[in-house]
Amino acid sequence: TQLLEQSPQFLSIQEGENLTVYCNSSSVFSSLQWYRQEPGEGPVLLVTVVTGGEVKKLKRLTFQFGDARKDSSLHITAAQPGDTGLYLCAGYLGKAGGTSYGKLTFGQGTILTVHP
Amino acid sequence: EAGVTQSPTHLIKTRGQQATLRCSPISGHTSVYWYQQALGLGLQFLLWYDEGEERNRGNFPPRFSGRQFPNYSSELNVNALELEDSALYLCASGLWVSYNEQFFGPGTRLTVL
Repeated sequence: TQLLEQSPQFLSIQEGENLTVYCNSSSVFSSLQWYRQEPGEGPVLLVTVVTGGEVKKLKRLTFQFGDARKDSSLHITAAQPGDTGLYLCAGYLGKAGGTSYGKLTFGQGTILTVHP
Repeated sequence: EAGVTQSPTHLIKTRGQQATLRCSPISGHTSVYWYQQALGLGLQFLLWYDEGEERNRGNFPPRFSGRQFPNYSSELNVNALELEDSALYLCASGLWVSYNEQFFGPGTRLTVL
């Protein structure tokens, strides 16, 4: 059972379209991070959200953390070919001790392709 | 500011050999995390080191081990390599704070033949 369910798994759109990627869980997270990864490279941190209901904007990207801190979304406005890549959400449960201590739990990822 | 660095970029080994992967964290970061990204499996947590101590490990066999040095750099050792160990190994660094923000390096691509 995947702790963090990310959807959709694949997204193929035309330049200029809008899109939303979702990250859902039944667990409450202390924080949630969004990354973008290019093939053969490491994930690049886009944003960290820590407060329920928080909304952060990064140019055309809008990130939202659910009120209950169990879900998050990434919305891209007017997508461009340069947005193409693998988008990953990662949650931190924040429990001291136990198997969750220190680690980020990743969703399966969303492969986004933006066609010119 | 320099990011997380990893070496080597690529590593080719044969089954049964040992592999050593290295990571240098962002200056000022005391925590180093190791993840395995195998095809189709996503990122899986391997190990976490902070202030020279192993703080947690993921669900991997004991042949996956590592250490953190006094300068906070780290190495990951994989003994008795198996074909399924072929993956991108990612190192991340961070400051151990409540929201646990982690910054990743470019990774080491390990291929086991």
